[in-house]
Amino acid sequence: NAGVMQNPRHLVRRRGQEARLRCSPMKGHSHVYWYRQLPEEGLKFMVYLQKENIIDESGMPKERFSAEFPKEGPSILRIQQVVRGDSAAYFCASSPGSLYEQYFGPGTRLTVT
Amino acid sequence: KQEVTQIPAALSVPEGENLVLNCSFTDSAIYNLQWFRQDPGKGLTSLLLIQSSQREQTSGRLNASLDKSSGRSTLYIAASQPGDSATYLCAVRRGNFNKFYFGSGTKLNVKP
Repeated sequence: NAGVMQNPRHLVRRRGQEARLRCSPMKGHSHVYWYRQLPEEGLKFMVYLQKENIIDESGMPKERFSAEFPKEGPSILRIQQVVRGDSAAYFCASSPGSLYEQYFGPGTRLTVT
Repeated sequence: KQEVTQIPAALSVPEGENLVLNCSFTDSAIYNLQWFRQDPGKGLTSLLLIQSSQREQTSGRLNASLDKSSGRSTLYIAASQPGDSATYLCAVRRGNFNKFYFGSGTKLNVKP
């Protein structure tokens, strides 16, 4: 059973471009979480989604960031008009249900030049 | 709001030493607490998960304890090895919320 998959693993964008980060949860998992890790810091929760629903987006910046988890396909974290401060590692986790253990992917490292 | 603090931020020890990593949290209404290991440029590996009703969990050379009332957890690593060198993260899940609150981590270096 493959673990949580994220792609790309590394992404370089120029300021003002869009970044799309993908997360494929473990088989049988319908709950996805996105976290951001700034350099030398711990992970910060961004958003929690179930299929076709955003359950908790309390950690998402109000502008430029959006997330979706469609009925088919991976979860997408989208960052529009990236700025240097968006450079970070973005981790996705999945679980089979609410309050179950979360399994983390390897992360996508976004660099904004 | 839950705040999670890890002390020390960095630790360097010679191989073979026993060591303790500390984690404290401000809101004792937690659902569970989890310790992770993160290697440079890699994702998170779950080490130990302690439910709020438990006092400790053990796995091999690792032992994690939880004292909810005082808002503390410790990760004990026995007979440390160079392969234990990594950043150790403590994460707390509150009540019926699904998100983790992470500490900033302890960066451990075990010297051969």
